[in-house]
Amino acid sequence: NAGVTQTPKFQVLKTGQSMTLQCAQDMNHNSMYWYRQDPGMGLRLIYYSASEGTTDKGEVPNGYNVSRLNKREFSLRLESAAPSQTSVYFCASSELGLAGGDEQFFGPGTRLTVL
Amino acid sequence: AQRVTQPEKLLSVFKGAPVELKCNYSYSGSPELFWYVQYSRQRLQLLLRHISRESIKGFTADLNKGETSFHLKKPFAQEEDSAMYYCALDTTSYGKLTFGQGTILTVHP
Repeated sequence: NAGVTQTPKFQVLKTGQSMTLQCAQDMNHNSMYWYRQDPGMGLRLIYYSASEGTTDKGEVPNGYNVSRLNKREFSLRLESAAPSQTSVYFCASSELGLAGGDEQFFGPGTRLTVL
Repeated sequence: AQRVTQPEKLLSVFKGAPVELKCNYSYSGSPELFWYVQYSRQRLQLLLRHISRESIKGFTADLNKGETSFHLKKPFAQEEDSAMYYCALDTTSYGKLTFGQGTILTVHP
């Protein structure tokens, strides 16, 4: 099993460009999450999806949109990239989500630079 | 709002020395607390969670509700423990985690 996969691994954008980060999991997990990791800030939740067909905002949703395409896939879209969105983006999944307390499984991350 | 604080950005110890990574949280209810670790060139992964009350790789963490702390301890550090450590808090359903800022632990030979 590949676990959680993310594409691309690296990306450089110019201010104003758009892009979609892809995430897929093969563990049949119900919940999926998008985080950003910034130095000195830890990981901050951008959006999450508790189950297929549902999405909700996390701590820092501004400038992002998400789509839970099916149970496996959860994409993150930047409509008009800004330098403040330069970060490392992590996707994660967990089995139940609703109960809380579950282990989250993380992808390898996407390093995004916005010039 | 809930918050997790890891006061040490960097922590250096020598092999065989005890190590303690501090974590304090602010939340008035019953928290679910975790320690996640990221070794060099590896993915972020769960180290331990307080509800399991287990010891993983020699690490333990005790939830102290009075001091709102969940410090991670190991009596004898090893070089392979060098990594970034995150404390995380889950106060809601849906598994929404609030992470601390992280502590980079370096264990010198």
